[in-house]
Amino acid sequence: DGGITQSPKYLFRKEGQNVTLSCEQNLNHDAMYWYRQDPGQGLRLIYYSQIVNDFQKGDIAEGYSVSREKKESFPLTVTSAQKNPTAFYLCASSIRGFSGNTIYFGEGSWLTVV
Amino acid sequence: DQQVKQNSPSLSVQEGRISILNCDYTNSMFDYFLWYKKYPAEGPTFLISISSIKDKNEDGRFTVFLNKSAKHLSLHIVPSQPGDSAVYFCAASALGGTSYGKLTFGQGTILTVHP
Repeated sequence: DGGITQSPKYLFRKEGQNVTLSCEQNLNHDAMYWYRQDPGQGLRLIYYSQIVNDFQKGDIAEGYSVSREKKESFPLTVTSAQKNPTAFYLCASSIRGFSGNTIYFGEGSWLTVV
Repeated sequence: DQQVKQNSPSLSVQEGRISILNCDYTNSMFDYFLWYKKYPAEGPTFLISISSIKDKNEDGRFTVFLNKSAKHLSLHIVPSQPGDSAVYFCAASALGGTSYGKLTFGQGTILTVHP
């Protein structure tokens, strides 16, 4: 089945550690995205990539990094510089990275700082 | 700067009645609008979309209306069912400018449909 797979579903991070969230899609989509959701709030864009080897900062990119070495993969690293990393992280993809395209989401990853 | 706003945090309706969820936007560059449904601890699922060249789009029980002059869109669910209970997000994207190539989401509205 085609879809977007995020792993792990639950992740605990100690203060000062970097952690990486995985996102893989087999939909042959060019564009991929990372969003963050905090309790009671909407989704905020962290980073997005419209094509392999290219990515742009979203609205809240500070403390995060990404890479796009393969079309299928868009991992997100939450660095120790991210002051409030506890949140629900959502990866998404779309056929192309411009207006008029529906984006589809993975199941999400919970990150908790302990 | 909240470019997409859902001013009602929650909505409660009776089964079989109409649910109307509202969304306002400020960025005149937005030209494509989507509604997503989300359950806790899951990813959002796409419901319905509308392009700015239209003012209405229907898909089964779901209808989205767009009023460009008022920068307002709404999602109508008729008839509402208990399984529709979830958080609903509206989202918008633009042909250009700083919103090019990405979706901007509202804060969400929690819909509860009572049997």
